Amino acid sequence: NAGVMQNPRHLVRRRGQEARLRCSPMKGHSHVYWYRQLPEEGLKFMVYLQKENIIDESGMPKERFSAEFPKEGPSILRIQQVVRGDSAAYFCASSPGFGVGQPQHFGDGTRLSIL
Amino acid sequence: AQSVTQLDSQVPVFEEAPVELRCNYSSSVSVYLFWYVQYPNQGLQLLLKYLSGSTLVESINGFEAEFNKSQTSFHLRKPSVHISDTAEYFCAVSDSGGSNYKLTFGKGTLLTVNP
Repeated sequence: NAGVMQNPRHLVRRRGQEARLRCSPMKGHSHVYWYRQLPEEGLKFMVYLQKENIIDESGMPKERFSAEFPKEGPSILRIQQVVRGDSAAYFCASSPGFGVGQPQHFGDGTRLSIL
Repeated sequence: AQSVTQLDSQVPVFEEAPVELRCNYSSSVSVYLFWYVQYPNQGLQLLLKYLSGSTLVESINGFEAEFNKSQTSFHLRKPSVHISDTAEYFCAVSDSGGSNYKLTFGKGTLLTVNP
């Protein structure tokens, strides 16, 4: 009965390093969504993935950010050459299928801090 | 595109008092509406949602929200709050069409219940 698992819970990186954030969806869920929460802001949609496919990446910054959801293993959000402005909480959600009748279940988030 | 405005960033109340958390949205298309609750250092949990039908929706822990299309509002209410209701509350909207998985969140309202 595990929920959406995100790791690490906290991640500290220096400017220019790479950050990898992992998300294991709930059992039986094949749809994954990533959101970013900047300080004192609401969550912003970044990307929607199904197994091995990116469905909608309209919320992803054009550079340095990428996401994948391989056939085996967790979904990965990768940020290359991090900058101070990348400091935020990154949340992953999953659902068993497509559509609002399939509510999104959220993980506890990864707090990314850039030194 | 949609947007969500939560008019109050913080709402302090005393235990057993009534509370209303305000949410207004803007959209050029039909929408679905949601309230999520976030406890400290945790992910978001769905509190209640409006998809269609009755404009008054209720949660299992005593919260209710009413969809008012003419005022484009979806305010959250509880007649008597408990200490355990202390959390941040986010209003969210999605369109009711093909990209209804894409949630747009407000900035959140921190509800603090004092003894």
